[in-house]
Amino acid sequence: QVQLQESGPGLVKPLQTVSLTCTVSGGSISSGDSYWSWIRQPPGKGLEWIGYIHYSGSTFYSTSLKSRVTISLDTSKTQFSLRLSSVTVADTAVYYCAREKGGPIDYWGQGTLVTVSS
Amino acid sequence: QLVLTQSPSASASLGASVKLTCTLSSGHSSFAIAWHQQQPEKGPRYLMKLNSDGSHNKGDGIPDRFSGSSFGAERYLTISSLQSEDEAVYYCQTWTTGIQVFGGGTKLTVL
Repeated sequence: QVQLQESGPGLVKPLQTVSLTCTVSGGSISSGDSYWSWIRQPPGKGLEWIGYIHYSGSTFYSTSLKSRVTISLDTSKTQFSLRLSSVTVADTAVYYCAREKGGPIDYWGQGTLVTVSS
Repeated sequence: QLVLTQSPSASASLGASVKLTCTLSSGHSSFAIAWHQQQPEKGPRYLMKLNSDGSHNKGDGIPDRFSGSSFGAERYLTISSLQSEDEAVYYCQTWTTGIQVFGGGTKLTVL
């Protein structure tokens, strides 16, 4: 069974860049039919897709975040990462990594809270 | 534009059944969706993929009490024999090339 675990700083200052890592176990990050996703959830709100990456290196990002987001993959470490630049308080959220396979997201990480505050 | 619409809330009694609805935007009635459950203070959990013909594939360990069906642009999640742990927010999700979309979620209260 695929397991995903997010890691990263819990607190970031405004205008800084936040970097999060997702470690994948129990499945191959190099699987051709899987896309590795980041999704976030502001406190008390719904889910917002950020973007995803395929092992080939192709990426797709949300239109609203595209200018500030980079997702990368390290197959040797079975990890993928999210970088979000120029953060504001509006970026405060629980960030989830997940696997998409053939369309549906079928495995989720437990999430990590990122708080943007000075 | 690909959009999913869900009612903000629903309620049903312990032991009863409830049917939650997710509506696809105009022009997207053939799209498949997925249902996810988010219990309080937990991350989301994948329940099933639901196709336009009503066929569905459930995730690991999802009880038979959870089932899906479709009619036109509407996708349904039916939960039978409601238990207290079914109280959660239920999200639908759909996709096309290069984009994932979530509905706003339905908060289910078990009375």
